[in-house]
Amino acid sequence: SYVLTQPPSVSVAPGQTARITCGANNIGAKSVHWYQQKPGQAPVLVVYNDSDRPSGIPERISGSNSGSTATLTISRAEAGDEADYYCQLWDGSTDHWVFGGGTKLTVL
Amino acid sequence: EVQLLESGGGLVQPGGSLRLSCAASGFTFSNFAMTWVRQAPGKGLEWVSSISFSATYTYYADSVKGRCTISRDNSKNTLYLQMNSLRAEDTAVYYCAKGVGGYNPNYFDFWGQGTLVTVSS
Repeated sequence: SYVLTQPPSVSVAPGQTARITCGANNIGAKSVHWYQQKPGQAPVLVVYNDSDRPSGIPERISGSNSGSTATLTISRAEAGDEADYYCQLWDGSTDHWVFGGGTKLTVL
Repeated sequence: EVQLLESGGGLVQPGGSLRLSCAASGFTFSNFAMTWVRQAPGKGLEWVSSISFSATYTYYADSVKGRCTISRDNSKNTLYLQMNSLRAEDTAVYYCAKGVGGYNPNYFDFWGQGTLVTVSS
């Protein structure tokens, strides 16, 4: 079954660009979705189907997916972007829904 | 406005049982697959179980298969998770999440605030 590998932590300076990766064999052939979770809150969908944004999610947040890596990109990072971010996909071979281990984004 | 309100969590002894509920509103509940996701203290998200819109199909993580049963009552707009033979490692916040598909939730566009299940003697 799929195992999604994320870095435990990423740091970024305010105003700079943060990239959070999600790795798996041939993940580019799958649709990847991303969630933001702030402390004490429920997860929020921020990117779906690799690169689409739900309404209300700023254009600063974007996604891409190719080869063995899916990437969530947060441009012009702000203090309010500090959160845990999780990638997720559906593994059709097992009918399981899989989450990555999560990445803690710190805006220094 | 979509709302998902979980209830039924609490403290239970190892080997005990608990039934979680999720009351849904703000969308046509009977059209969408629903899912339970849990998060152990200080840990990441773990998919637990999903159910198709008409309850024809149910899916379980290996960690809970045989011990948990997901169900839904579309007349009451409510999702359930019956949890039996609970173990310490089942301790977590359990979230109810709405899928975007009918048979396959695919991804989860709305989440409840969660209910805490603590398994301890």
